Amino acid sequence: QKEVEQDPGPLSVPEGAIVSLNCTYSNSAFQYFMWYRQYSRKGPELLMYTYSSGNKEDGRFTAQVDKSSKYISLFIRDSQPSDSATYLCAMSSSYGQNFVFGPGTRLSVLP
Amino acid sequence: EADIYQTPRYLVIGTGKKITLECSQTMGHDKMYWYQQDPGMELHLIHYSYGVNSTEKGDLSSESTVSRIRTEHFPLTLESARPSHTSQYLCASGGSGNTIYFGEGSWLTVV
Repeated sequence: QKEVEQDPGPLSVPEGAIVSLNCTYSNSAFQYFMWYRQYSRKGPELLMYTYSSGNKEDGRFTAQVDKSSKYISLFIRDSQPSDSATYLCAMSSSYGQNFVFGPGTRLSVLP
Repeated sequence: EADIYQTPRYLVIGTGKKITLECSQTMGHDKMYWYQQDPGMELHLIHYSYGVNSTEKGDLSSESTVSRIRTEHFPLTLESARPSHTSQYLCASGGSGNTIYFGEGSWLTVV
């Protein structure tokens, strides 16, 4: 079993839809959780960062962490064609230690 | 957000050639990383550094080497390129927060 699993996708939604992207993990020591967006042939771009359990909102994006279930989610409201990209979850157990990335979910938002 | 620069962005090179992929960041981050990513596939950590004169191998075995003589530079070198080295190489850096920021990537093709 991989340390971090992510919905494989690809996922296609119409413009304006609410998108839910999810990751599960096995290591209960993970405390720091991130979501990255990666456009084709580009480097990953940090979208959201959360520490421990709870929700964090930034514009159309909401990150949720449920440590008891070892489950994290990224919600995108009012999705736009410009949101079409691969979304990677990432996590780490200790401050400044190495990160574990999910394999990514490719999202297409259709106009 | 970190400013992190990679050169070259695209490189096609013959088998057996020596290449160096450059990575520099302007934020004074102590931690720097090299990841390898094949198209549509997961990120794999190949090298990391927590400061000057500190380098470690990552989770994925790699024939490349790195050096960290200055805080802002973290070049990656392949002494003798092979077609199996064809991939995207992503450099990243992290500062006081528990997040990392990626460069745009270097696409290497060995023919």
